[in-house]
Amino acid sequence: ELKVEQNPLFLSMQEGKNYTIYCNYSTTSDRLYWYRQDPGKSLESLFVLLSNGAVKQEGRLMASLDTKARLSTLHITAAVHDLSATYFCAVVISNQFYFGTGTSLTVIP
Amino acid sequence: DVKVTQSSRYLVKRTGEKVFLECVQDMDHENMFWYRQDPGLGLRLIYFSYDVKMKEKGDIPEGYSVSREKKERFSLILESASTNQTSMYLCASTVGGLDSYNEQFFGPGTRLTVL
Repeated sequence: ELKVEQNPLFLSMQEGKNYTIYCNYSTTSDRLYWYRQDPGKSLESLFVLLSNGAVKQEGRLMASLDTKARLSTLHITAAVHDLSATYFCAVVISNQFYFGTGTSLTVIP
Repeated sequence: DVKVTQSSRYLVKRTGEKVFLECVQDMDHENMFWYRQDPGLGLRLIYFSYDVKMKEKGDIPEGYSVSREKKERFSLILESASTNQTSMYLCASTVGGLDSYNEQFFGPGTRLTVL
């Protein structure tokens, strides 16, 4: 059975701190996506990672992919309140998207 | 900008009613998807379509059907709504064939409550 697991599920962090969200998946996939969802809103695409060792950065967020370990990370640097949201990873297997359960991030002053 | 719209943001229906959720995209995307989102379960794929009149079952198709008569429109149908179908429903689309590496673009979601 395919599993896409994120941890932590809930994260409360102080402004200015760094933290990493992890996404593990149980079946080989060479595509991984990260999305952001604000409360009451839909999902917004953040990163598309297409190969082993891929790293992408946008502002205070950096995503990486290790296909051998079946692991992706989303690293947050010097968090600010605007980053408070729920973050989802998703892998594509047999042309279907499979989503993790999400990580709810709250950045507190 | 890609725009994916859904017919209703909020919907309240009664058990046994037939419910239609409409999704329209304006970027000529080939692929369209319907998900439901529930707390602690993430997004789960109900159905997807890679072409007009084509449809494929996702992980949880039971109790749902879909229709894609035009490229830009993908409808989700609950033949006889039940309380366990209370959820947030998200539509998404992607450009290109299923083997492309394109991201999904999501609609704003429809929060359906079945009483």
